[in-house]
Amino acid sequence: AQKVTQAQTEISVVEKEDVTLDCVYETRDTTYYLFWYKQPPSGELVFLIRRNSFDEQNEISGRYSWNFQKSTSSFNFTITASQVVDSAVYFCALSEAPQGGSEKLVFGKGMKLTVNP
Amino acid sequence: DGGITQSPKYLFRKEGQNVTLSCEQNLNHDAMYWYRQDPGQGLRLIYYSQIVNDFQKGDIAEGYSVSREKKESFPLTVTSAQKNPTAFYLCASRDRPYTDTQYFGPGTRLTVL
Repeated sequence: AQKVTQAQTEISVVEKEDVTLDCVYETRDTTYYLFWYKQPPSGELVFLIRRNSFDEQNEISGRYSWNFQKSTSSFNFTITASQVVDSAVYFCALSEAPQGGSEKLVFGKGMKLTVNP
Repeated sequence: DGGITQSPKYLFRKEGQNVTLSCEQNLNHDAMYWYRQDPGQGLRLIYYSQIVNDFQKGDIAEGYSVSREKKESFPLTVTSAQKNPTAFYLCASRDRPYTDTQYFGPGTRLTVL
């Protein structure tokens, strides 16, 4: 069965600190997709990144970077030089591919990040 | 602008009443989804539809109903049979099932009085 674990429930940092959000997943499929979403206080989920299981290259987008390691089933997200606007709940999610997989997007329970000025 | 709209943003309902939450998208996406979010929890799938006039139950469909008469619309009805309806409801859509990214609407916060 698919499962996504975000062990940290809440983190508080001071502006300009770096912070890493952990995500560990379980799946029996060899083809799958991983996602990160941001949920600011307004409530809407904002898509950040999608990664398929065949692409283990790390990605950097501005202050955001993602580290995907199949060997440890992890897809961690790092925010460099955090800002107050980064304060939000962050969700990691998993979607299996069609063959033998399901339509479902499985979410972790989310991690609340508070960045203090 | 293309996107997903949900209305209303806040909804109050008396116990025993049915209520319908609206979800509209103009992205021309085939698949649409309804999720429920409770405090401190991830999202749980209620219903999804991969094509017009077809929909499937998710993990927590009991007490909910949906319809998909038009590609751009996927309304969710919370019935009186739903034991704990107070929650934040999010609608999503994606172009093709399985492989594409799901994009979310702004959500509706339902409170049962």
